[in-house]
Amino acid sequence: EVQLVESGGIVVQPGGSLRLSCAASGFTFHNYAMNWVRQGPGKGLEWVSLISWDGAFSYYADSVKGRFTISRDNSKNSLYLQMSSLRDDDTGFYYCAKGVSSGPIGHFDSWGQGTLVTVSS
Amino acid sequence: QLVLTQSPSASASLGASVKLTCTLSSEHSTNAIAWHHQQPEKGPRFLMKINSDGSHFRGDGIPDRFSGSSSGAERYLTISSVQSEDEADYYCQTWGSGIDVFGGGTKLTVL
Repeated sequence: EVQLVESGGIVVQPGGSLRLSCAASGFTFHNYAMNWVRQGPGKGLEWVSLISWDGAFSYYADSVKGRFTISRDNSKNSLYLQMSSLRDDDTGFYYCAKGVSSGPIGHFDSWGQGTLVTVSS
Repeated sequence: QLVLTQSPSASASLGASVKLTCTLSSEHSTNAIAWHHQQPEKGPRFLMKINSDGSHFRGDGIPDRFSGSSSGAERYLTISSVQSEDEADYYCQTWGSGIDVFGGGTKLTVL
């Protein structure tokens, strides 16, 4: 059974930094692209970033480009999101999602339960 | 620009059927999409993928009450014999050129 468990969400001040983690199990992690998706309070889902199976390629939503960095450690079956220059509108739940291919093609077929990031002074 | 459009809300009586619609931007009318739902206070769950020809496949453990179809730029999710646990937010997703996009979501209320 695929399991994705996010961690690292906390309350952080505007302008601060934070690293989120996602621990994956139940599938061959290094075969698949991975994603971060977020959801602001009372809002819909917003795709944030994708990383290819080997970490060679990464893609970002315009809203986070230049501020967030996605990475992965296939030896630890782990996905990360380094967040910096945080703003109030970065507040929300952050979900880890597994892609169905090794790159930026295809849908997401498994999701984590999310970790809450609150940006507030 | 890759855009998905969904109606904000829908409702269905217990045991009835409901059809949710996701509309692709015209220049992307042949894209496949995926449907996900999110029950209150939970993470999203993948329901099914729908291709432009209407062929579809469900995610693991998704009952056959959920089915998909397609017409032009529209992709549909039909839920038959609606149950109380189907009350949730439903999102469609598509992808292209290194980005992924979600529709704004449809809140399904079960009456």
